[in-house]
Amino acid sequence: AQSVAQPEDQVNVAEGNPLTVKCTYSVSGNPYLFWYVQYPNRGLQFLLKYITGDNLVKGSYGFEAEFNKSQTSFHLKKPSALVSDSALYFCAVRLSGGSYIPTFGRGTSLIVHP
Amino acid sequence: DAGVTQSPTHLIKTRGQQVTLRCSPKSGHDTVSWYQQALGQGPQFIFQYYEEEERQRGNFPDRFSGHQFPNYSSELNVNALLLGDSALYLCASSPENPAGELFGPGTRLTVL
Repeated sequence: AQSVAQPEDQVNVAEGNPLTVKCTYSVSGNPYLFWYVQYPNRGLQFLLKYITGDNLVKGSYGFEAEFNKSQTSFHLKKPSALVSDSALYFCAVRLSGGSYIPTFGRGTSLIVHP
Repeated sequence: DAGVTQSPTHLIKTRGQQVTLRCSPKSGHDTVSWYQQALGQGPQFIFQYYEEEERQRGNFPDRFSGHQFPNYSSELNVNALLLGDSALYLCASSPENPAGELFGPGTRLTVL
């Protein structure tokens, strides 16, 4: 069985400061990892993905994530937070090859204070 | 291109009724997935359609069924609605796996 843990329900950061949203996963094999963002009353927007290759993945809106196989983590980062980054962030994992079923975390609410 | 579109936006039904939700994928995308997102939770995978066939199914009862048409649009049907079926239903499309999926705005279903 595969699972995703987002250990923080909420992350608070001041505008201009770096932000990190944490994600750890469990999967029996090589993972495909994804980050999505959801604004109120909207669907999810794809931010970035890790499939293979470089452990540092760059995505939309200045976000990046680092794949750490030994720690089974895929934390989302941004060097300088904007108030407009305030939203709900979801990490997702699926097994590479075979099953197409992704598992999402419960989400982390990011609040960026002016 | 409008991206992924879903209809209706909101829907109110009573227990025991049946509902059909519709999804049009982004132009060029041939794979459509459906998710249920309960309040305060992450999306849960219901099933995925590719070439008009159900390719994979999550842990949902047979009351949940779907269809994909030759133009790649898709429907989600839920029979014998329960109060617990109240959720945001999301449709997502992708051109291939393992691309990141493009999600629609969702249909908010309320079961009374």
